[in-house]
Amino acid sequence: QLQLQESGPGLVKPSETLSLTCTVSGGSISSSGYYWGWIRQPPGKGLEWIGVIYYSGSTYYSPSIKSRAAISLDTSKNQFSLKLTSVTAADTAVYYCARGVNNDAFDIWGQGTMVTVSS
Amino acid sequence: EIVMTQSPATLSVSPGERATLSCRASQSVSSNLAWYQQKPGQAPRLLISGASTRATGIPDRFSGSGSGTEFTLTISSLQSEDFAVYYCQQYNTWRTFGQGTKVEIK
Repeated sequence: QLQLQESGPGLVKPSETLSLTCTVSGGSISSSGYYWGWIRQPPGKGLEWIGVIYYSGSTYYSPSIKSRAAISLDTSKNQFSLKLTSVTAADTAVYYCARGVNNDAFDIWGQGTMVTVSS
Repeated sequence: EIVMTQSPATLSVSPGERATLSCRASQSVSSNLAWYQQKPGQAPRLLISGASTRATGIPDRFSGSGSGTEFTLTISSLQSEDFAVYYCQQYNTWRTFGQGTKVEIK
């Protein structure tokens, strides 16, 4: 069945760019009707939606993060990625990637990866 | 941005009892509402989408209802594995999560 796995540095310095990749296995990232998203969770807090990218390549972002986030697809590697610029300690969180189908809820999630922003 | 408000923040329930969780949207989200369960150290798991449709493999003791701005997740008879944090999420206009309700053992 479809599985998602996040990867990337666990430690990022303030003001630098956070880069994460989600590798999709057991299915094609470019299948019609799928969309792919990033969600984060600061330690001890709730879930925050970051953004989504559709199989067509269209992207949509949370208004609170929009100017700093960029999500892209790499169909050759069956991966999608998140870049978050100008990070601060407030960006410290577990970052999850997830899949949705036909603009419905996120039905499959990765296990999450912890990213700490610190000098 | 649509704001999702969940209540209560914490719900203390005895095993076997019924739990009722609420979620309110700041504007109508139609039936584009999902519920997730999250246990410590784990990723969220989809329970309900479309406000009332159980995801694959979800036991029928979980049920969802509501539309527009008011939604409810009911767990008919709490099992030990149901003690967790529950989040609602709207996907009518972009995506927004509620702040969560922790269901703890009474």
